[in-house]
Amino acid sequence: GENVEQHPSTLSVQEGDSAVIKCTYSDSASNYFPWYKQELGKRPQLIIDIRSNVGEKKDQRIAVTLNKTAKHFSLHITETQPEDSAVYFCAAFFWGGGNKLTFGTGTQLKVEL
Amino acid sequence: GAVVSQHPSRVICKSGTSVKIECRSLDFQATTMFWYRQFPKQSLMLMATSNEGSKATYEQGVEKDKFLINHASLTLSTLTVTSAHPEDSSFYICSARDRVLAGTDTQYFGPGTRLTVL
Repeated sequence: GENVEQHPSTLSVQEGDSAVIKCTYSDSASNYFPWYKQELGKRPQLIIDIRSNVGEKKDQRIAVTLNKTAKHFSLHITETQPEDSAVYFCAAFFWGGGNKLTFGTGTQLKVEL
Repeated sequence: GAVVSQHPSRVICKSGTSVKIECRSLDFQATTMFWYRQFPKQSLMLMATSNEGSKATYEQGVEKDKFLINHASLTLSTLTVTSAHPEDSSFYICSARDRVLAGTDTQYFGPGTRLTVL
């Protein structure tokens, strides 16, 4: 089955700096890669996603890049703010196979003032 | 937007009792619902996939007789933790896929249920 690795497990940045979280996946058939933000005790919130026919996608301060050849994708947050502090999960999905999301291990992002 | 609710949000029970958690899609019909378990500071682990009107598909290592899943309608799926033990204490989250968007990969997550077994 699919295996998703995520790094780093914790990330501390100063407000205004950029944050980058990286994930690798094992199943080359995976074709959908969402990123979720989860605050303590709450549901995961989809913040951005990318499909395998696209290399990069941007939404304001958030961007995701995908390298299908290397089987890795990354989340980029620019101009970080304290409210960006949360746990971020990447995930991979294979439509037509297991039809289920496989999550990465999560990154605790802390944005310090 | 699509909303998924869960009830209860928190539950505390004694060891050996059973607990039922409901997952509802409020403004859409869900042909498929997913149940996840999340331990503190860990990722979401898929327990089972439930399709309306059919038996749930459980992930490897998940005991189907302990975690009973019923998806009797297009808007409701239930997870029953039978004979709960302290090690079952966890955050249980459901998600649902919109029937209209059945050919897509979008999932909507519920707010989760915090189960504590004493």
